[in-house]
Amino acid sequence: DSGVTQTPKHLITATGQRVTLRCSPRSGDLSVYWYQQSLDQGLQFLIQYYNGEERAKGNILERFSAQQFPDLHSELNLSSLELGDSALYFCASSVGLAGGPRDNEQFFGPGTRLTVL
Amino acid sequence: AQKITQTQPGMFVQEKEAVTLDCTYDTSDPSYGLFWYKQPSSGEMIFLIYQGSYDQQNATEGRYSLNFQKARKSANLVISASQLGDSAMYFCAMREYNTGFQKLVFGTGTRLLVSP
Repeated sequence: DSGVTQTPKHLITATGQRVTLRCSPRSGDLSVYWYQQSLDQGLQFLIQYYNGEERAKGNILERFSAQQFPDLHSELNLSSLELGDSALYFCASSVGLAGGPRDNEQFFGPGTRLTVL
Repeated sequence: AQKITQTQPGMFVQEKEAVTLDCTYDTSDPSYGLFWYKQPSSGEMIFLIYQGSYDQQNATEGRYSLNFQKARKSANLVISASQLGDSAMYFCAMREYNTGFQKLVFGTGTRLLVSP
């Protein structure tokens, strides 16, 4: 158990809908990362938040958005869903920007499997 | 741009034997970290081992060791005494430290199958 929790574990929805994925980082971790794992794109970095602020953006679609709340949990919002958005969405957390490289080791949550029908 | 290449889509090994999973990387940042993760069929990503670009010795964690050859830009994972429970997908990943970005870039993965 990494200490990172994600809900829900599975989500099935229809095209055009909007969903919210939730992540709680490990206690003490300030950074939260979102990754998407799909069959055709592999594992891709979407976005990072550090202590409530967006820190880095990867291959995140405009239909997707995220935020990190004062209690450090994060939510990934996916809207106007398409079939191709079906994937496993991981949240990871790390201590943050301070410290040495090992302090930035990312611990992954169990993932949310999204199926768009 | 940082890039990770895993050229072995699948590997087979017999129980109790050692296996090497290949990983090569490309980066212009002199400060970086290399990671290996295991993803069993249940889907979670399990951290296995880490190697920093300035680390003088190869990393080891139990049955896992990382064969780090900096000049060749390779970071192969060696699993000794394979067990049935080692059957999983294995991903190599890299993080650059000087760019200010903390994202992990992953390879395409290698599926390892351990047979009795």
